[in-house]
Amino acid sequence: DQQVKQNSPSLSVQEGRISILNCDYTNSMFDYFLWYKKYPAEGPTFLISISSIKDKNEDGRFTVFLNKSAKHLSLHIVPSQPGDSAVYFCAASAYGTDKLIFGTGTRLQVFP
Amino acid sequence: DTAVSQTPKYLVTQMGNDKSIKCEQNLGHDTMYWYKQDSKKFLKIMFSYNNKELIINETVPNRFSPKSPDKAHLNLHINSLELGDSAVYFCASSSRETSTDTQYFGPGTRLTVL
Repeated sequence: DQQVKQNSPSLSVQEGRISILNCDYTNSMFDYFLWYKKYPAEGPTFLISISSIKDKNEDGRFTVFLNKSAKHLSLHIVPSQPGDSAVYFCAASAYGTDKLIFGTGTRLQVFP
Repeated sequence: DTAVSQTPKYLVTQMGNDKSIKCEQNLGHDTMYWYKQDSKKFLKIMFSYNNKELIINETVPNRFSPKSPDKAHLNLHINSLELGDSAVYFCASSSRETSTDTQYFGPGTRLTVL
């Protein structure tokens, strides 16, 4: 039972345009959501997070939106750069559980 | 100034052997984790330790035994290795003082069992 889903395995975007990565979850107990970026042969790198008390969090070119009623979150990257090409994982946790539940990842390719 | 480090990065071994993977963090965190990423790229938690105490054990076979000699180290020992143990293993750490949920990952150890 996959509690966190990333239904798009890959996304291709032109440099300078917006990249939108999506994530859906099923567990209503999740209250904290994170996005990680992963390059080949490296560990996941924390990118940005959002608490369930917010619906938006912004950090530079990265913005995460949370729609609790739809159990959906998205990561917007504007403008996209070739160095953003990586696999992006969505993760979620429930208060007090000490563990992250990961989605299966979306491979983003930003081309010139 | 590596934050979370793991050794070795690659490990190739025969079925039935016993092997260990080491993890160290210099972030001053009090909680450490082991995750497994299988061939389908699912990243799943195996164990977590807080202040050297086991907090999470996600129904992992008892051939896997984590050991935390201190807050900065969490090692993973695997007995009687099987083909299905081939995967990438990631160590992570976090701090309950700030946020348990933002975890910082090591570079991973790719284990191949022949």
